[in-house]
Amino acid sequence: EPEVTQTPSHQVTQMGQEVILRCVPISNHLYFYWYRQILGQKVEFLVSFYNNEISEKSEIFDDQFSVERPDGSNFTLKIRSTKLEDSAMYFCASSPEGQGYGYTFGSGTRLTVV
Amino acid sequence: EDQVTQSPEALRLQEGESSSLNCSYTVSGLRGLFWYRQDPGKGPEFLFTLYSAGEEKEKERLKATLTKKESFLHITAPKPEDSATYLCAVHLSGNTPLVFGKGTRLSVIA
Repeated sequence: EPEVTQTPSHQVTQMGQEVILRCVPISNHLYFYWYRQILGQKVEFLVSFYNNEISEKSEIFDDQFSVERPDGSNFTLKIRSTKLEDSAMYFCASSPEGQGYGYTFGSGTRLTVV
Repeated sequence: EDQVTQSPEALRLQEGESSSLNCSYTVSGLRGLFWYRQDPGKGPEFLFTLYSAGEEKEKERLKATLTKKESFLHITAPKPEDSATYLCAVHLSGNTPLVFGKGTRLSVIA
């Protein structure tokens, strides 16, 4: 069964450093998403991406964050100048047709900012 | 104000003891309601999508139902491997993203 692949599985970074989280969505999917889940809290939407541009973003997704699809397969989330409160699980997801269809999530990247 | 509320927060069942999890939503114009399973340290795993009141979907020991105000995830004769957090999410309109509830943490004891 097709999978969404995320790397790395765990990233530890110093406060103030930049991190790039990587995702390979399912190959024939057209919509891509980043969500995060702070420990013990609910899954929160960050950003959606379609046709090489951001289609929706949440209040969390401020200038500290950016997304990119550098080639035909990868989808990245960059977090600049990380803060302690950025520590969370970051999930990438993709769907074939958009918001009305079940997303397939990756296994996540656990980001720890120290 | 939460748009999606799940109850109970946690549920402990004996193996074989059937029960239901609830997901209620306060918005109108629901386009779809989704159930996911999440194991510790893993991403949500898609289970069901429900689109209209009265709709039901089944998968093994799980059955999801939808009314105009809430959805239930019924689990029949659960096994320890059904232990996980069950998440409900709603799609409200157009290009709005899925909004998740806080989940119900289910533990099934042998």
